Amino acid sequence: EAGVAQSPRYKIIEKRQSVAFWCNPISGHATLYWYQQILGQGPKLLIQFQNNGVVDDSQLPKDRFSAERLKGVDSTLKIQPAKLEDSAVYLCASSLFGGGVFEQYFGPGTRLTVT
Amino acid sequence: KQEVTQIPAALSVPEGENLVLNCSFTDSAIYNLQWFRQDPGKGLTSLLLIQSSQREQTSGRLNASLDKSSGRSTLYIAASQPGDSATYLCAVRMDSSYKLIFGSGTRLLVRP
Repeated sequence: EAGVAQSPRYKIIEKRQSVAFWCNPISGHATLYWYQQILGQGPKLLIQFQNNGVVDDSQLPKDRFSAERLKGVDSTLKIQPAKLEDSAVYLCASSLFGGGVFEQYFGPGTRLTVT
Repeated sequence: KQEVTQIPAALSVPEGENLVLNCSFTDSAIYNLQWFRQDPGKGLTSLLLIQSSQREQTSGRLNASLDKSSGRSTLYIAASQPGDSATYLCAVRMDSSYKLIFGSGTRLLVRP
């Protein structure tokens, strides 16, 4: 079974530029999550999708971050414009359904450096 | 607001040593607690999940314990190996919802 795929793996941009990350979850998984992990910290949930609907985006900085999950499969996370403090690893995870009994499977992440 | 703390932030041990990683949380009303492993450039791998009604879980050389009343969990690694070198993260769920609240992790180095 293929795992969660993410691209690109690394990205370096200048502040005020835009960037987009892509995630392909495990086939059949209805729930998709985006996390932000700043160096030295644990991951923080940015947004959760159930199929193509948003369940929770309470910690997403909506003035600059946006995310979508078209057709309930792949998802993209966009930052526009980027700030220095956005430098982090962006992790995508998926689970069969939402809820604490369903294990989340994580992708390798995209490391973003904003200069 | 739930806060999860992991001490120490980094640990270096010689191969073969038994070791304990600590995780504490401020609100004891958790639904479950999960330990993850994170290797550089890779995602998180789930190691053990303990439900709030359980006291411990074991998998191979790993044993995780949970003491809800004191807000603490430990991950015990027996006979450590260089391949155990990684960052270990604990995370709690406050209810049956999805949301994981992570600690900052313990970076473990096992020296040959």
